Amino acid sequence: IAGITQAPTSQILAAGRRMTLRCTQDMRHNAMYWYRQDLGLGLRLIHYSNTAGTTGKGEVPDGYSVSRANTDDFPLTLASAVPSQTSVYFCASSPAGGGKGLDEQFFGPGTRLTVL
Amino acid sequence: GQNIDQPTEMTATEGAIVQINCTYQTSGFNGLFWYQQHAGEAPTFLSYNVLDGLEEKGRFSSFLSRSKGYSYLLLKELQMKDSASYLCAALNSNYQLIWGAGTKLIIKP
Repeated sequence: IAGITQAPTSQILAAGRRMTLRCTQDMRHNAMYWYRQDLGLGLRLIHYSNTAGTTGKGEVPDGYSVSRANTDDFPLTLASAVPSQTSVYFCASSPAGGGKGLDEQFFGPGTRLTVL
Repeated sequence: GQNIDQPTEMTATEGAIVQINCTYQTSGFNGLFWYQQHAGEAPTFLSYNVLDGLEEKGRFSSFLSRSKGYSYLLLKELQMKDSASYLCAALNSNYQLIWGAGTKLIIKP
């Protein structure tokens, strides 16, 4: 089934630990995105990638890093987790990226992360 | 700064019509999106407007006024399954989506 998957579904993590959230899409979309969603706030863009091999910073990039070695995968790494990174993380992809008009984003099911 | 405003919560009756408003202020503007998000699930795309006017898609319609920085989502013939949060998002000059906090729509029988 075509779509976008994320792993793990949920995770409880001790502060200071390193964690990588995985995201894979099989739709051959050019662009991919990582968002966090917190209660009472809109989705906030952490990092994005308009095409394999390139990445960019979003609105809240501090404490996070990404890589885009190929079209399908876009992992998000927390180098040293802090409690303020407790959130629901959504990965998304879109066909075009980079400012090409209507470019609907398709979202993965999300990862619920708790940092204690 | 960039900002999207939409009501936090609305209540409507099954079979009725509801209008969810959204105002936006962004650095540049390249279109307005509406997404639906059921509790505990991922957002899913509903509509996109870039020109002024009304776009109709079945029971859902979306309106945009660029001069007023205003959009609304109109839901007709409400069904219980329409109970969800509705997210307004504006595409800025960097082609990044700026998201509102969402409007939780509660449908009562």
